[in-house]
Amino acid sequence: LAKTTQPISMDSYEGQEVNITCSHNNIATNDYITWYQQFPSQGPRFIIQGYKTKVTNEVASLFIPADRKSSTLSLPRVSLSDTAVYYCLVGDPFSGGYNKLIFGAGTRLAVHP
Amino acid sequence: NAGVTQTPKFRVLKTGQSMTLLCAQDMNHEYMYWYRQDPGMGLRLIHYSVGEGTTAKGEVPDGYNVSRLKKQNFLLGLESAAPSQTSVYFCASSEGDRANYGYTFGSGTRLTVV
Repeated sequence: LAKTTQPISMDSYEGQEVNITCSHNNIATNDYITWYQQFPSQGPRFIIQGYKTKVTNEVASLFIPADRKSSTLSLPRVSLSDTAVYYCLVGDPFSGGYNKLIFGAGTRLAVHP
Repeated sequence: NAGVTQTPKFRVLKTGQSMTLLCAQDMNHEYMYWYRQDPGMGLRLIHYSVGEGTTAKGEVPDGYNVSRLKKQNFLLGLESAAPSQTSVYFCASSEGDRANYGYTFGSGTRLTVV
């Protein structure tokens, strides 16, 4: 099964840039990389998705190298409200074609004043 | 724009009781999913559906049943609740069958089995 590996936790301070790296050595050719954010007592929320190079939206940037075996979520100038768990997901290439995203434990980001 | 709605939000069951969790989506999504999340852990897939009238097992299906009689609804049933099923349950829906389509999640149902 395709798996992702990301740090269990990270700490940052308000106003800093945060980069969370995810490894996904078994990513399939047609798979995209997707990041979700989860606040306490809420369901995960889609943040950003990409296939290669760089994707940017109003919330974050996603950097994907040419070999696509890793990706980095970049959060610019974080605030206290960015404290959450961040999940990196890729499509399961052995799932028979159905979309059964595998959620790992995620990265718990704590932003301090 | 409701998205995915889960009911109830909270529930306490006694061991052996049964209950049904309801998930409703108004986005005309084909795919729907039920996940459970235990403290400090990621989400684990229980069952999923790729369309009206279809269901399939996920990663941890034992002790649960599901039904998708209408495209917009996905029901999760516990026939005989056990303390090990104490968890937060999330429903999600998506447009397509590849990871290219983002999931929309509900706000969760917190279930406690005593």
